Amino acid sequence: EVVLTQSPGTLSLSPGERATLFCRASQSVSSSYLAWYQQKPGQAPRLLIYAASNRATGIPDRFSGSGSGTDFTLTISRLEPEDFAVFYCQQYSNSQYTFGQGTRLEIK
Amino acid sequence: EGQLVESGGGLVQAGGSLRLSCSASGFTFSSYWMHWVRQAPGKGLEWVVGMSTDGSSIRIADSVKGRFTISRDNAKNTVYLQMNSLRAEDTAVYYCVRGSGYYYFDLWGQGTLGTVSS
Repeated sequence: EVVLTQSPGTLSLSPGERATLFCRASQSVSSSYLAWYQQKPGQAPRLLIYAASNRATGIPDRFSGSGSGTDFTLTISRLEPEDFAVFYCQQYSNSQYTFGQGTRLEIK
Repeated sequence: EGQLVESGGGLVQAGGSLRLSCSASGFTFSSYWMHWVRQAPGKGLEWVVGMSTDGSSIRIADSVKGRFTISRDNAKNTVYLQMNSLRAEDTAVYYCVRGSGYYYFDLWGQGTLGTVSS
């Protein structure tokens, strides 16, 4: 099973700042099979990025994804108040899907 | 865009069973893999099981293999999760989720809570 480790666990930033979130895989993952989600309290997760760098429908262009192999990054260029939430990365390989443990993005 | 609505959650004793349902609307249900993803209280996301468009292929997490089964009825636009031999650690919100081409999840239901008492 591929284990995804997200860092940092918690990120404290202010609106207008740039956020960089990391996702490291225990073994190489196809970029086509790496996605990012946002979850706000009391809500279901929402797809942000698929295939490592493609924004899902309706996702603002301040969200971007990059990376390959074992290291992937989600960047939010300028934080808006509604962006503060928990973010998860997710991968698929060998008929199994796994999620990272999440990064909490909180207002500083 | 589509909508997924789960039902069937509730309280059950350890060792018991629970059957969850998920009704889909607003998209061609029979064209998509369907999955269940769960989230224990205050914890992260865990993929549980997925089924192919025609039901011929199933992928399942090791943590629930032999206890949980998935099925679907394309005529009713509904997917089911049968959970047997339940344990306290199965307590979670269970999300019905649509799978998409690059093995990600692009549509989520609101979730239904299943609580297993020990």
